[in-house]
Amino acid sequence: QQQVKQSPQSLIVQKGGIPIINCAYENTAFDYFPWYQQFPGKGPALLIAIRPDVSEKKEGRFTISFNKSAKQFSLHIMDSQPGDSATYFCAAIRSGGSNYKLTFGKGTLLTVNP
Amino acid sequence: NAGVTQTPKFRVLKTGQSMTLLCAQDMNHEYMYWYRQDPGMGLRLIHYSVGEGTTAKGEVPDGYNVSRLKKQNFLLGLESAAPSQTSVYFCASSRPDRATNYGYTFGSGTRLTVV
Repeated sequence: QQQVKQSPQSLIVQKGGIPIINCAYENTAFDYFPWYQQFPGKGPALLIAIRPDVSEKKEGRFTISFNKSAKQFSLHIMDSQPGDSATYFCAAIRSGGSNYKLTFGKGTLLTVNP
Repeated sequence: NAGVTQTPKFRVLKTGQSMTLLCAQDMNHEYMYWYRQDPGMGLRLIHYSVGEGTTAKGEVPDGYNVSRLKKQNFLLGLESAAPSQTSVYFCASSRPDRATNYGYTFGSGTRLTVV
């Protein structure tokens, strides 16, 4: 059972464009939603995260939008650059749980063309 | 500060051989995890540990064993490698609190090919 569904699987944009990656979750007990960025040959790294008590969070050119009623959240990258080309994973967790496991989406391969 | 270190970085095994992947973290994290990453499948949890001496099964544990004898180390073993275990393996550690943003720290991965 895939508890976090991520789309699209791949995305190509031109430099300066605004790629949007969407995720939907099923478990209403999830209360923390991080995004990870992975460059080729590297491990994923935490990019930005949000709690469901806020609808939007910005860090630099990266913005998370959160819709609690729809159980959806999305990542927007403003003024995208070729250096943003990477795989992006959304994730979710119940922070008060006893085993503390992140549930990951399947990832989106983003390509930003010059 | 090395973070999470995985060894080896690359390995080629023949079917039926065994090997151990080592993960070491220097952040005093309680929780450690082993994932495998395959094209189109995302990150799938193999096993995890919530503290020294503990292990638990994840999403895809078959064919793998783990041990956490020391807090800083988490070992992943393949007893009899199969071609289906060809993958990139990632280790991660975490300290689940607001100070760390509930984030995982990942190693740089081990690329394993089973022929």
